[in-house]
Amino acid sequence: DTAVSQTPKYLVTQMGNDKSIKCEQNLGHDTMYWYKQDSKKFLKIMFSYNNKELIINETVPNRFSPKSPDKAHLNLHINSLELGDSAVYFCASSQGRGAWDTQYFGPGTRLTVL
Amino acid sequence: DQQVKQNSPSLSVQEGRISILNCDYTNSMFDYFLWYKKYPAEGPTFLISISSIKDKNEDGRFTVFLNKSAKHLSLHIVPSQPGDSAVYFCAASPMNDGGSQGNLIFGKGTKLSVKP
Repeated sequence: DTAVSQTPKYLVTQMGNDKSIKCEQNLGHDTMYWYKQDSKKFLKIMFSYNNKELIINETVPNRFSPKSPDKAHLNLHINSLELGDSAVYFCASSQGRGAWDTQYFGPGTRLTVL
Repeated sequence: DQQVKQNSPSLSVQEGRISILNCDYTNSMFDYFLWYKKYPAEGPTFLISISSIKDKNEDGRFTVFLNKSAKHLSLHIVPSQPGDSAVYFCAASPMNDGGSQGNLIFGKGTKLSVKP
């Protein structure tokens, strides 16, 4: 009965490959997010979707494409992986889209690009 | 350009004593502030928040203080317990035209160790 789940937990791949990370929330929330925590430990927002509509898109390369098939899922597809993409990616969800809407995070996916 | 700074990467405290974690910010448009706690191999979990119209918010052993003029907030944990050992992230949200959005700006975190 995990609230926000991500698969896979670990992902090791070669440069140039295309990979996807899946995220699902069973909280009935309307808003979902993707964050990236880089090697310097900064946790930065990448995307936010509200009711399947993109509402936040920070300066992320267009090799990253989020896809929301329904309110409960927000998957992250990454094309042409680069060494600098190695990081921990966290999915999160919240009931609404305001800062006061508590965001619930998944356990993270550690991506290593070789 | 770090808009949210946690200048202490680590803090060690004895069980039962007070833990004080500090956070500074540079953007005067930030109007909502949060603290998250993170255990290894888990995602961050929300701890406590404060709106810019307040200077203090308390929830059990956790109190957050906000000093807007100094652009500084702090998290006090009293009394500290070994289970509080984790990384604590400070986060802030800017007021946009459409009102505060969920695009939280996080600091780098402070690793708290509470020793028995």
